[in-house]
Amino acid sequence: DAKTTQPPSMDCAEGRAANLPCNHSTISGNEYVYWYRQIHSQGPQYIIHGLKNNETNEMASLIITEDRKSSTLILPHATLRDTAVYYCIGSPYNQGGKLIFGQGTELSVKP
Amino acid sequence: DSGVTQTPKHLITATGQRVTLRCSPRSGDLSVYWYQQSLDQGLQFLIQYYNGEERAKGNILERFSAQQFPDLHSELNLSSLELGDSALYFCASSPPGGQGPGSGNTIYFGEGSWLTVV
Repeated sequence: DAKTTQPPSMDCAEGRAANLPCNHSTISGNEYVYWYRQIHSQGPQYIIHGLKNNETNEMASLIITEDRKSSTLILPHATLRDTAVYYCIGSPYNQGGKLIFGQGTELSVKP
Repeated sequence: DSGVTQTPKHLITATGQRVTLRCSPRSGDLSVYWYQQSLDQGLQFLIQYYNGEERAKGNILERFSAQQFPDLHSELNLSSLELGDSALYFCASSPPGGQGPGSGNTIYFGEGSWLTVV
């Protein structure tokens, strides 16, 4: 399993872009990087995932470095509702597909 | 709404008792996962089933067991409950065509079942 490292907390002003970093230096070549978030004891919510190319969907963008040792989740225009714990997760290729959650980054979006 | 349904949403029970948590996966999903989230442990993977068969096991206690039925719903049975079993229990599901996130599939989580053991 790839071990991921995230800052424990971050602040972001409402309306600004939130850039959440993640280090995953031990990630293997066939291991996807997933991002989830959890809003105050609700079920974890899928945001985005990628293998080696940058990805974008209606929620966020994912930028993965060329060496795949780190990535950044970008919320382009953060709102108060984006306040949550964000998890960067490396997924093992052949271990049943389970997600191993770390401690995540607690993002606080402030007015 | 992820499409994963969990019941009950809240449950209070006494130590030593046994409870069953139920999960209905998203339509068409074959994999079901169970996770436990307590205050001091974060989100812990318990067990995964794929089309009725156990596929992966995490740090699930021997007092806990799970199964996935032919209609693909799953139940997590917790017995001889202790105070430390108080937690949020999440069920998640993922579609066929792989083994969940390891193959690029996405796992979708339910809203959880709050278990309080008193």
